[in-house]
Amino acid sequence: SQQGEEDPQALSIQEGENATMNCSYKTSINNLQWYRQNSGRGLVHLILIRSNEREKHSGRLRVTLDTSKKSSSLLITASRAADTASYFCATAEYNFNKFYFGSGTKLNVKP
Amino acid sequence: DARVTQTPRHKVTEMGQEVTMRCQPILGHNTVFWYRQTMMQGLELLAYFRNRAPLDDSGMPKDRFSAEMPDATLATLKIQPSEPRDSAVYFCASGLFEGNTGELFFGEGSRLTVL
Repeated sequence: SQQGEEDPQALSIQEGENATMNCSYKTSINNLQWYRQNSGRGLVHLILIRSNEREKHSGRLRVTLDTSKKSSSLLITASRAADTASYFCATAEYNFNKFYFGSGTKLNVKP
Repeated sequence: DARVTQTPRHKVTEMGQEVTMRCQPILGHNTVFWYRQTMMQGLELLAYFRNRAPLDDSGMPKDRFSAEMPDATLATLKIQPSEPRDSAVYFCASGLFEGNTGELFFGEGSRLTVL
């Protein structure tokens, strides 16, 4: 299976602190994406990083990808209470026909 | 504001009953996925379609689940007969995949409870 695994499973921080989540996957990928899910809602796309990229930024988000280690990290800087959600990584096969999601990291940002 | 629409949002049914969940993907998207989310298993890929053609449904219990796309504006997931272990939130997601890039847009999900 190509399912990614996020680490840690849960993370609790104070507002203003940075939050780092990691994702490991098993086989070669085309790209890796991060999604966010608020409680009781559907997932929302945050950022996509291609297999030939090493780092990508979007606002307060920074994503890194290390294909040699088959791992990725998501950094949220200057966290806010509104960032409280579950974060998932998703990996796509080369033919982009399948999307597998990891188990998610539940982030709690305390005001 | 384009979005994926799923119905019903909530469904409570008794074991053995047929359940049909519907999804209206975003107009113009060429790929549709069905996922099931539970606390224990996380997000499981059940089936997906490209240009309405089923590409893979290996994640689906074939004896009771079926997925179809009768037209570009409707995808359905049917469970017959339903069992308590089918209780979960079922998500539909659509995307426009061109070449090797694309992102998924999720609906709000259909929460199914089978008693």
